[in-house]
Amino acid sequence: DTEVTQTPKHLVMGMTNKKSLKCEQHMGHRAMYWYKQKAKKPPELMFVYSYEKLSINESVPSRFSPECPNSSLLNLHLHALQPEDSALYLCASSPTLLDTQYFGPGTRLTVL
Amino acid sequence: GNSVTQMEGPVTLSEEAFLTINCTYTATGYPSLFWYVQYPGEGLQLLLKATKADDKGSNKGFEATYRKETTSFHLEKGSVQVSDSAVYFCALIDRGSTLGRLYFGRGTQLTVWP
Repeated sequence: DTEVTQTPKHLVMGMTNKKSLKCEQHMGHRAMYWYKQKAKKPPELMFVYSYEKLSINESVPSRFSPECPNSSLLNLHLHALQPEDSALYLCASSPTLLDTQYFGPGTRLTVL
Repeated sequence: GNSVTQMEGPVTLSEEAFLTINCTYTATGYPSLFWYVQYPGEGLQLLLKATKADDKGSNKGFEATYRKETTSFHLEKGSVQVSDSAVYFCALIDRGSTLGRLYFGRGTQLTVWP
């Protein structure tokens, strides 16, 4: 089974709201990733966790705050977002950093 | 540095036509190569992969061969179906790196008409 789950599927939020995206995998993978994808573009890497430690932060604005509470779970906390942050947010996992990445279905975020 | 170049789309084909989507890469280390597919409104699905030169990845009738001499990983399918309509991304991971970054091509939109 190569399933990565993400919740919610859709999220609409105002610029003053605080919300969180959740990602879960039960494949025993030790690397997890957050990507942002705008329409008709490839995914852009945001954050990488390896063994629950942040290993890459791609200069993402502080209004995005990742959290990896355990090896199966990855959260992305959102606060004071801008309309240009509207996008599809994808989570992925891999056995280790250099292995094949498996993606979840994504959360479609709209910021009003 | 590392980069992936894909042929420009969109690609429009009739059902049962032959498909080729070109992908070439540059890599500082020794890459693993991937094709991902994204259906409308969905996340990315791994289609196939190859980890060393001359490996052929295959899945669902799609094939791609890792050609080190031409730094290419072209995607082919002998007979496309309407259900193959999607965006296809070529990607690489540089296994000489410690970062695990996945480098994507721009994506190629494929539309298959009945």
